[in-house]
Amino acid sequence: GDSVTQMEGPVTLSEEAFLTINCTYTATGYPSLFWYVQYPGEGLQLLLKATKADDKGSNKGFEATYRKETTSFHLEKGSVQVSDSAVYFCALIKVGGAQKLVFGQGTRLTINP
Amino acid sequence: GAGVSQSPRYKVAKRGQDVALRCDPISGHVSLFWYQQALGQGPEFLTYFQNEAQLDKSGLPSDRFFAERPEGSVSTLKIQRTQQEDSAVYLCASSLSGANTEAFFGQGTRLTVV
Repeated sequence: GDSVTQMEGPVTLSEEAFLTINCTYTATGYPSLFWYVQYPGEGLQLLLKATKADDKGSNKGFEATYRKETTSFHLEKGSVQVSDSAVYFCALIKVGGAQKLVFGQGTRLTINP
Repeated sequence: GAGVSQSPRYKVAKRGQDVALRCDPISGHVSLFWYQQALGQGPEFLTYFQNEAQLDKSGLPSDRFFAERPEGSVSTLKIQRTQQEDSAVYLCASSLSGANTEAFFGQGTRLTVV
């Protein structure tokens, strides 16, 4: 079945450091890919998405590129802030398939000042 | 409010008790989803409604789990004869039409079965 594998956490960085959170997927067909973020005490929020190969999603300084050849969608940010501390989830939806998100296990990110 | 609202936020149930979890989606959203999130894990799909029709219930773990959305708006997830393994956060999400449009999530209901 379809699945998403994320980099194990937790991840702790200093402010202004470069961030990468790895995400790879397994799916038949051509899924749409997403990154969701969960800030403390809040619900899941869509951070960015990409719907086809080589698309780059971006938002709030975060970027991720849909790489079909490596079945990956790694999340990056050039300079993290304390306010980026949250849990990040990679997810997919199979286009034309079941109307449900398949999530990775989440990566907890802590940014220290 | 403008977001997805879930109630209660926290529920403690004794093993064997029945519980009902409520979800108020964003007004006008056609699609509604329930997910179960165990501690330290990503959310897992339970069921999906389009208006009042339950189109996919493949993720419901047993026949003790039942969901309804009778008027195509508010939804209730009911768990009968709760067991300890049902302890989790239950998330509701809604979207304008299908999961390929942005899904907006509620804050969830944390269920603890003791």
